[in-house]
Amino acid sequence: GAVVSQHPSRVICKSGTSVKIECRSLDFQATTMFWYRQFPKQSLMLMATSNEGSKATYEQGVEKDKFLINHASLTLSTLTVTSAHPEDSSFYICSAGGRGNQPQHFGDGTRLSIL
Amino acid sequence: AQTVTQSQPEMSVQEAETVTLSCTYDTSESDYYLFWYKQPPSRQMILVIRQEAYKQQNATENRFSVNFQKAAKSFSLKISDSQLGDAAMYFCASIAGGTSYGKLTFGQGTILTVHP
Repeated sequence: GAVVSQHPSRVICKSGTSVKIECRSLDFQATTMFWYRQFPKQSLMLMATSNEGSKATYEQGVEKDKFLINHASLTLSTLTVTSAHPEDSSFYICSAGGRGNQPQHFGDGTRLSIL
Repeated sequence: AQTVTQSQPEMSVQEAETVTLSCTYDTSESDYYLFWYKQPPSRQMILVIRQEAYKQQNATENRFSVNFQKAAKSFSLKISDSQLGDAAMYFCASIAGGTSYGKLTFGQGTILTVHP
């Protein structure tokens, strides 16, 4: 069964709306989670590393004020796309785990469509 | 820093045949791990196979096997007896070893089409 749960799976909303995506680790404690963005037929682009109890580490070029990350507990990280616009439409995926040879577990992704 | 390169944007194979997907990588780490992930149209990320860099033996998982050439920094995936369900985008990825949670570095991906 899934070890990382991501919700919602699909969001369609109007421009200017803020959208929150949740990523939960179901059967393990995740001090670190990762958020990715993916365009069609392209690779996953790491947006940020979410650290429990501290600020997220953003990759170069990712707007911190646009993509707010909160990791308030060992099992939950959230990504909020603030004042979303059509160019923010994409597929967002979270992952957790991945220390040493243990592979990261991925959520099923969220397809975000901004009208 | 790590880089992963997949030079085949698209590949195709006939059902029941064998196909090999290429991947090269570069890393300054002495301890690292390599993975192949499969992303079907549902867009779930599914781990196919993993290889510890310190192991010389190539990893195998049923119909999936790798050819790990450490000196050449090559990590190709062989799919034997291809099935329609193997059609997906495949990503090669690397991660540094150690006790901390490291970042996965992905290749560009290869879209695999399986013809009946």
